[in-house]
Amino acid sequence: EAQVTQNPRYLITVTGKKLTVTCSQNMNHEYMSWYRQDPGLGLRQIYYSMNVEVTDKGDVPEGYKVSRKEKRNFPLILESPSPNQTSLYFCASSPNLDQPQHFGDGTRLSIL
Amino acid sequence: RKEVEQDPGPFNVPEGATVAFNCTYSNSASQSFFWYRQDCRKEPKLLMSVYSSGNEDGRFTAQLNRASQYISLLIRDSKLSDSATYLCVVFTGGFKTIFGAGTRLFVKA
Repeated sequence: EAQVTQNPRYLITVTGKKLTVTCSQNMNHEYMSWYRQDPGLGLRQIYYSMNVEVTDKGDVPEGYKVSRKEKRNFPLILESPSPNQTSLYFCASSPNLDQPQHFGDGTRLSIL
Repeated sequence: RKEVEQDPGPFNVPEGATVAFNCTYSNSASQSFFWYRQDCRKEPKLLMSVYSSGNEDGRFTAQLNRASQYISLLIRDSKLSDSATYLCVVFTGGFKTIFGAGTRLFVKA
């Protein structure tokens, strides 16, 4: 089954404790992206990747890092999480830049 | 001004009604447009792509007006199951994808 898999689905943690949210897709898609969704603000793009080893900032990259060492994986790293990063996060992928994206189930992060 | 703007609603309509949503975008170089549906904080799912000539999928019709920089979604014969948030999505051509904040729709019996 074609899918985008995120882990964990839920996480409660404390300020400053490094965490990684994994994202994996099995569709051989070139383009992958991370979004955060907050009430009233919609989905905002954090980082995106057009291919292996090619990543770039979206609209809200501060406090996040990503890597794309393999085509299928695109982890989101919070080196020193802060409460303002409490949000619902989605990973997405698509065959190319301008094609519809497939989303993972989402990860709810709470930073205390 | 936001790059992509939608009326947040909510739109409350009875079953069987026709409802239309508009979405405006600011970047005239935008290349691709989509409508997504999102249920109660679940993942967004593609409803339909929007083509220059307009396109229809069952009860749903999407249109693009490049001159006025907006896209629209028309839902005919609304069903209870159409209740959701509808997200307008624009690919700007600068490698970024911009989502509108979404329009809430409630369809009531």
